[in-house]
Amino acid sequence: GEDVEQSLFLSVREGDSSVINCTYTDSSSTYLYWYKQEPGAGLQLLTYIFSNMDMKQDQRLTVLLNKKDKHLSLRIADTQTGDSAIYFCAERGGGGADGLTFGKGTHLIIQP
Amino acid sequence: KAGVTQTPRYLIKTRGQQVTLSCSPISGHRSVSWYQQTPGQGLQFLFEYFSETQRNKGNFPGRFSGRQFSNSRSEMNVSTLELGDSALYLCASSDRSRSYNSPLHFGNGTRLTVT
Repeated sequence: GEDVEQSLFLSVREGDSSVINCTYTDSSSTYLYWYKQEPGAGLQLLTYIFSNMDMKQDQRLTVLLNKKDKHLSLRIADTQTGDSAIYFCAERGGGGADGLTFGKGTHLIIQP
Repeated sequence: KAGVTQTPRYLIKTRGQQVTLSCSPISGHRSVSWYQQTPGQGLQFLFEYFSETQRNKGNFPGRFSGRQFSNSRSEMNVSTLELGDSALYLCASSDRSRSYNSPLHFGNGTRLTVT
């Protein structure tokens, strides 16, 4: 079945760039999403990219998609303490059934 | 616009009981989806409703059910609760009438604890 893989932890220094990576298996994925979850909260939509694009930029966020390798990344420029959270990658398959498939999430830890 | 609202925020129930969770979508959104989040299994899709009809269903037992009302508000029900049903239940809405792939906007969830 479909699967989405992410590293569990990423530690970066405040002010540096963070790059969170994700791989997926469903070649029919149409849209790929990045969500952020802070403690005690739900999921906040950060950005999303259509599968026929290879890059999308939105202020400090840059999404890169390598469809051939089924690899998605989220770059956060000038990482701040408020960026500390769990980041989830998710994909919607071509059929649209079964909702979104999520990765297990990457804990982003900011060092002062 | 107000975001997705879920009530209650916290629930404690006993094994064997049943529970009903409520979700009010963003105004104008007619699609509501439900997800279960646990430390072990992560985020898993439960079901999706659009215009009062269940459109998609995940791989959960029949004890998990839902419905959607004419005002797009949705409820999910879990009967005969088990300890393993303890989880954060997240509701999401989207504007599927505008685009099939409109992104999901999530509420803050209902934390269910089964003892």
